[in-house]
Amino acid sequence: NAGVTQTPKFQVLKTGQSMTLQCAQDMNHEYMSWYRQDPGMGLRLIHYSVGAGITDQGEVPNGYNVSRSTTEDFPLRLLSAAPSQTSVYFCASSWNDRGGGYTFGSGTRLTVV
Amino acid sequence: KQEVTQIPAALSVPEGENLVLNCSFTDSAIYNLQWFRQDPGKGLTSLLLIQSSQREQTSGRLNASLDKSSGRSTLYIAASQPGDSATYLCAVRLQGAQKLVFGQGTRLTINP
Repeated sequence: NAGVTQTPKFQVLKTGQSMTLQCAQDMNHEYMSWYRQDPGMGLRLIHYSVGAGITDQGEVPNGYNVSRSTTEDFPLRLLSAAPSQTSVYFCASSWNDRGGGYTFGSGTRLTVV
Repeated sequence: KQEVTQIPAALSVPEGENLVLNCSFTDSAIYNLQWFRQDPGKGLTSLLLIQSSQREQTSGRLNASLDKSSGRSTLYIAASQPGDSATYLCAVRLQGAQKLVFGQGTRLTINP
């Protein structure tokens, strides 16, 4: 089925560990993005990309890195996990035009202890 | 700064009722508005997408309207069912910015 695939679905990390959250889409969307969802804070944009080789920061980029080597994949790297990064992470993609709607993945629930 | 507000934060109604969820936004410079559904512990499922030039969109028992000049959108759910229970989120796609701005959501419970 076409869509956005995120792995893993659940992850527990110790403070200071690093990891990569994977995101892949098969709709040939130019635009991909990462959001985090926290109680009382809603969904906030971490990083986004408008095409292969192009990335930019969103509202809450600190502690995260991204790269976009292909159209399909947009991994999110946590450099040194902190308890404040405990959250649910969503990847989303869309056509990079003003009319495009967003398709979201099923999320990764991350706990940092 | 664009702000999106959803009222009410929670709503509980008996099965079969028609209901309206509200979404308001402060800046009319948007490309479109999208309504999502989120079940507990799950991802976001897109329900309806309304372009800034459109007034409404319909899908089955769902109808969404958009009044860009007043900064308002409504999601109308007809003949509600227990399976409609979920959190409903609205989000606007900003002009000149690569992001969605979300409301806090309305948690809907349909009682059998």
